[in-house]
Amino acid sequence: SQKIEQNSEALNIQEGKTATLTCNYTNYSPAYLQWYRQDPGRGPVFLLLIRENEKEKRKERLKVTFDTTLKQSLFHITASQPADSATYLCALVVEAGTYKYIFGTGTRLKVLA
Amino acid sequence: EPEVTQTPSHQVTQMGQEVILRCVPISNHLYFYWYRQILGQKVEFLVSFYNNEISEKSEIFDDQFSVERPDGSNFTLKIRSTKLEDSAMYFCASSDGLGEETQYFGPGTRLLVL
Repeated sequence: SQKIEQNSEALNIQEGKTATLTCNYTNYSPAYLQWYRQDPGRGPVFLLLIRENEKEKRKERLKVTFDTTLKQSLFHITASQPADSATYLCALVVEAGTYKYIFGTGTRLKVLA
Repeated sequence: EPEVTQTPSHQVTQMGQEVILRCVPISNHLYFYWYRQILGQKVEFLVSFYNNEISEKSEIFDDQFSVERPDGSNFTLKIRSTKLEDSAMYFCASSDGLGEETQYFGPGTRLLVL
């Protein structure tokens, strides 16, 4: 069956450390993979997109890796800050005629001061 | 900075009633989407819309649902004969392309069906 999984347990880390979040999927062949941030009661906010033929993408303190063999993406926030506390969602973009967007359940990150 | 807006922010309705959720996408965007998120669960794709027609819909988007772009700015989601399980946050999003183009999400409408 097709699945997209993120660690459902909250991740607590100390300020200044690197947070690493995982997104695993099975039985999909995504053209792209996106990461979003979602704050409570708000809509997702796009952070980064990585293509299937890319291994790594960076944007400021954010880094995403994509391993299509392992069917896994890692999302890193370096020098984390309490303001980074939020739920982070990964989303597969699957091309099937048009595009379908499949979201993971998200991982809640809490950065402790 | 342009943003997607949604109204109302909260809607309470009785089971069996019809509701219309409204969205104003970013003005130069061409692709529009509706998603829902049941409390504590994942964001689920409902439908995408381009050039005045549905381009993709999920299995959730059955005959109970319809979308419309009644004028040049609004994009609506109609839910006929609401059920208790339709209670969720509904997000509208827009983008100026498909696939790798960024989707911009609105703040959502929280729908409660009693």
